[in-house]
Amino acid sequence: GQQVMQIPQYQHVQEGEDFTTYCNSSTTLSNIQWYKQRPGGHPVFLIQLVKSGEVKKQKRLTFQFGEAKKNSSLHITATQTTDVGTYFCAGPRGGSQGNLIFGKGTKLSVKP
Amino acid sequence: DSGVTQTPKHLITATGQRVTLRCSPRSGDLSVYWYQQSLDQGLQFLIQYYNGEERAKGNILERFSAQQFPDLHSELNLSSLELGDSALYFCASSVAGIGYGYTFGSGTRLTVV
Repeated sequence: GQQVMQIPQYQHVQEGEDFTTYCNSSTTLSNIQWYKQRPGGHPVFLIQLVKSGEVKKQKRLTFQFGEAKKNSSLHITATQTTDVGTYFCAGPRGGSQGNLIFGKGTKLSVKP
Repeated sequence: DSGVTQTPKHLITATGQRVTLRCSPRSGDLSVYWYQQSLDQGLQFLIQYYNGEERAKGNILERFSAQQFPDLHSELNLSSLELGDSALYFCASSVAGIGYGYTFGSGTRLTVV
């Protein structure tokens, strides 16, 4: 069945270092979304990418959608302790605009 | 406050029991989704409703059922509970269409003992 995979599962960085998480789908996606879940919290929507090769930035966060629309990445420049949490990518299930299939997430810890 | 309200926040119950989790979506959102989050399985899609009608089913057990009411709030019923049902249950809502992500509630942490 359709799968969305993320690597790495865990990432430990020193504050100020960069961080990247990668997301790969077994199928072509019409769009991809990214969410952040702080420890003890709920997932919070960060962004949606729709176009092939799209790049979007939110302050220190850079999101990319691959040319084939099967992969995506999230890059954080100069991590801060506030970046701690689990980052999930998600794509429409079965190519629909309905419910999402989530990757298992990348858990980021930042050492001050 | 995300605008999606889930109650209760915590629930501890014994095996074999039945519980009901409640969700009120963000004002204006017609779609409601239920997800189960456990440590090793990530966010698993259970069921989706749109404007009162079931739209899609995921990995939802036969012991679980859900419904969405005319006022758009939703309830997830879990019966014959097993230890393995212990997890965080999230409700999310969304506006239909591209460009709108999910808004998640704060979740219900279910512990089956």
